[in-house]
Amino acid sequence: EAGVAQSPRYKIIEKRQSVAFWCNPISGHATLYWYQQILGQGPKLLIQFQNNGVVDDSQLPKDRFSAERLKGVDSTLKIQPAKLEDSAVYLCASSLVGAGAQNNEQFFGPGTRLTVL
Amino acid sequence: QKEVEQDPGPLSVPEGAIVSLNCTYSNSAFQYFMWYRQYSRKGPELLMYTYSSGNKEDGRFTAQVDKSSKYISLFIRDSQPSDSATYLCAMRTAGNMLTFGGGTRLMVKP
Repeated sequence: EAGVAQSPRYKIIEKRQSVAFWCNPISGHATLYWYQQILGQGPKLLIQFQNNGVVDDSQLPKDRFSAERLKGVDSTLKIQPAKLEDSAVYLCASSLVGAGAQNNEQFFGPGTRLTVL
Repeated sequence: QKEVEQDPGPLSVPEGAIVSLNCTYSNSAFQYFMWYRQYSRKGPELLMYTYSSGNKEDGRFTAQVDKSSKYISLFIRDSQPSDSATYLCAMRTAGNMLTFGGGTRLMVKP
């Protein structure tokens, strides 16, 4: 079974530039998550999709971050304009069922490492 | 104060040692408790998943949850160099998102 795919793996940009990350979840997984992991910290949820609808985006900085999951499969996360503090690894995860289910193991992709100069 | 606290380490042990990793938390509504392992430049992978208080064993790994003390532990027996990684605890309420600890970096020396 193929895992969660993410691209690019690495990205270096200057502050105030824009950047986009792409995620392809495991086939058949209804729920997709984007996390931000700053160096030395645990992942922090940015946004959760159930199919193509947003379930939770309470921790997404909406003034600069946006995400979409058209057709309920692939997803993109965009930052515009980027700030120095956005330097982090952006992880995408997917699960077969929603977060409220008892067994909802989240499978993580390898992440995209963003450096903002 | 963070909802989930975890000692960042690093924790260095000799091969074959028993490793104890711990997290404390403040939200009494957490019901599901997980341990993830994260190798360098990789995404986290689920190691153990427990619901409510008690112990769960899987091979060399044992997870313990003490809800009365708001304390969870992961024990690794007969540790191997391949166990060297960052270990993240995570927990959630019945219908809510995962909250992760900051991770403990473990180094097992041959």
